[in-house]
Amino acid sequence: GQSLEQPSEVTAVEGAIVQINCTYQTSGFYGLSWYQQHDGGAPTFLSYNALDGLEETGRFSSFLSRSDSYGYLLLQELQMKDSASYFCAVGDSSYKLIFGSGTRLLVRP
Amino acid sequence: DGGITQSPKYLFRKEGQNVTLSCEQNLNHDAMYWYRQDPGQGLRLIYYSQIVNDFQKGDIAEGYSVSREKKESFPLTVTSAQKNPTAFYLCASSIGGAGNTEAFFGQGTRLTVV
Repeated sequence: GQSLEQPSEVTAVEGAIVQINCTYQTSGFYGLSWYQQHDGGAPTFLSYNALDGLEETGRFSSFLSRSDSYGYLLLQELQMKDSASYFCAVGDSSYKLIFGSGTRLLVRP
Repeated sequence: DGGITQSPKYLFRKEGQNVTLSCEQNLNHDAMYWYRQDPGQGLRLIYYSQIVNDFQKGDIAEGYSVSREKKESFPLTVTSAQKNPTAFYLCASSIGGAGNTEAFFGQGTRLTVV
C-alpha cells in the first residue's frame, strides 16, 4: 500500500529552526512535495524534490533521500505566521498525488 | 488572473440528497484532483483525472462521482450513498504527468449535512 508518515504536532519558539520529517512508501516515486495550510484555508505549494539533496527557497529548505524513502522540511528563523499545518506529498506511478496526514506547527513567542 | 475556483464556499445538504460541487480552472492544466479533509486530518484523494474524458478512483471514491467533459472543469457529485459527507472538499490542478507534484488548490467547499 501507499503511506506517508509525519509527526502530528511540533512546537517551536519564534526565531528558532524546526525540522518536519516525512517517510513514505509508494508504488513508484516521482518526487516529494511540501505544502502549507493555515486553518480554514487551502494548501499552498512550498517546495519539490525529485532528486536526492537539499533544495533551498528563502527560509524554507527541503531534503530528500530516495534510498531511505525519507525527506524533511526545514524552517528557519521561525515567525508567528509560520504556525500552520504542513503536509508532505508524493506522486506515484499511477499519477496519483498522495498527501500525508500533516504536521501541525505551533510557533510560540 | 489564472487560478482555480470552487463554488459554493459553504453548502448545506439534507440527508438523502445528491449535491454537486463545482471546480473550474483557467491554468490550462491537464490534471485535476478532488480531496476530502476532515477536521484535524490530512487530505484524502477521492478522484483524479489526467486528461479530458478520463478519470480514476482515489482512495475514498465510494459515494462520489465525477465527470471531466472539459479540460477546465471537474465537478464532484456527493451522492446519497456517501454515509458521512460532512467535510471540507478541496479541488486541485497541476500540469500533470509523472514527476509533477506542484498542485494549485481552490479555496474549498465546506459541506454540511443537516
